[in-house]
Amino acid sequence: GQQLNQSPQSMFIQEGEDVSMNCTSSSIFNTWLWYKQDPGEGPVLLIALYKAGELTSNGRLTAQFGITRKDSFLNISASIPSDVGIYFCAGQHFYGGATNKLIFGTGTLLAVQP
Amino acid sequence: DSGVTQTPKHLITATGQRVTLRCSPRSGDLSVYWYQQSLDQGLQFLIQYYNGEERAKGNILERFSAQQFPDLHSELNLSSLELGDSALYFCASSPAGSDFSYEQYFGPGTRLTVT
Repeated sequence: GQQLNQSPQSMFIQEGEDVSMNCTSSSIFNTWLWYKQDPGEGPVLLIALYKAGELTSNGRLTAQFGITRKDSFLNISASIPSDVGIYFCAGQHFYGGATNKLIFGTGTLLAVQP
Repeated sequence: DSGVTQTPKHLITATGQRVTLRCSPRSGDLSVYWYQQSLDQGLQFLIQYYNGEERAKGNILERFSAQQFPDLHSELNLSSLELGDSALYFCASSPAGSDFSYEQYFGPGTRLTVT
């Protein structure tokens, strides 16, 4: 199945550090979404991006929709232990009137050392 | 809590058997999506229903089928189960049909183990 390239694959950081991860695609998307997943749980929506160049924040999280529409970035500032989890990007094509499938990235595992 | 519910949480069954996974979307959401998550394939789209009709298909096996009922809940039927079907199965919903609603909200998932 199709997956988007997401990097880094994993990150081990100290509490208080900033984190950056990105997602790239060979095709253009209309929407980029970022999710966080805890073990055994469902993905939780963090940020949704709708326009090329858009920069959106949700608390300590900031995400950007790349100008080319083929990439997206997520930054987490001043990480805390509860930021631990797997972060997924997802690209979406939107076709007239009904949303379409999400194509997910390979995921970034984030570990935060207190 | 996303508002999307899935039952059962866990399911253990034998090869060759058939199971049904159930999903109730968020109140007011018309679209339901099913995804499969496995270690080797990641999160993969299976199928989408919109207001009772099939809208999009992904890499769904012929042994798998789904439907969405008039009350908008959905069921995913998996038959002739194989060991490789062991995975987490997620349901997601979205308002779909609104120009400003592209987000999908995920349920807690059903962990299927085929022995």
